[in-house]
Amino acid sequence: GENVEQHPSTLSVQEGDSAVIKCTYSDSASNYFPWYKQELGKRPQLIIDIRSNVGEKKDQRIAVTLNKTAKHFSLHITETQPEDSAVYFCAASKGNTDKLIFGTGTRLQVFP
Amino acid sequence: DAGVIQSPRHEVTEMGQEVTLRCKPISGHDYLFWYRQTMMRGLELLIYFNNNVPIDDSGMPEDRFSAKMPNASFSTLKIQPSEPRDSAVYFCASSRTGGNSPLHFGNGTRLTVT
Repeated sequence: GENVEQHPSTLSVQEGDSAVIKCTYSDSASNYFPWYKQELGKRPQLIIDIRSNVGEKKDQRIAVTLNKTAKHFSLHITETQPEDSAVYFCAASKGNTDKLIFGTGTRLQVFP
Repeated sequence: DAGVIQSPRHEVTEMGQEVTLRCKPISGHDYLFWYRQTMMRGLELLIYFNNNVPIDDSGMPEDRFSAKMPNASFSTLKIQPSEPRDSAVYFCASSRTGGNSPLHFGNGTRLTVT
């Protein structure tokens, strides 16, 4: 069945430290893995995505890695800032469909 | 580009009443998705459309829920009759080429059923 597990559920870091959020998926046909950031009371917004033909992608302080063999992917945020505080969701496409299955979210708090 | 537009932003209604949520996707996006977000269940896909045609409604919780997309620029999600357990934030999202392309979410409708 379709399942995306996300860990940890909460993460607290000091400003300037790095944060890592990990997700695993079960569908071996998944080929698209986006990450969304949702600030309190706001809508989820895409921050980075990766496709199955790429192992790593970076955009300034944000990077995503994908291990298709192990069926897991991770979000890395370096030099965290207080404005990075939000809930982060990973997602994986469901096989050969147009559906995205979301993880349960990680609440990141960055303390100044 | 105004983004995905949802209305209303907030809806408070009494149990048993009909609720209609509205969505205008981004122009040129062929896919429209309705999600429900709760603390307990996270983001759940309810239904999605491709070129105004419902493709997968397996996430619709029960017959009280229905969705339509009469044209490329408008969709509705209706709950009739509403129940307290329907209280959640309902998001509409659109994408250009389906689930393998970025989803653009609207600001959501916060529904409270008393």
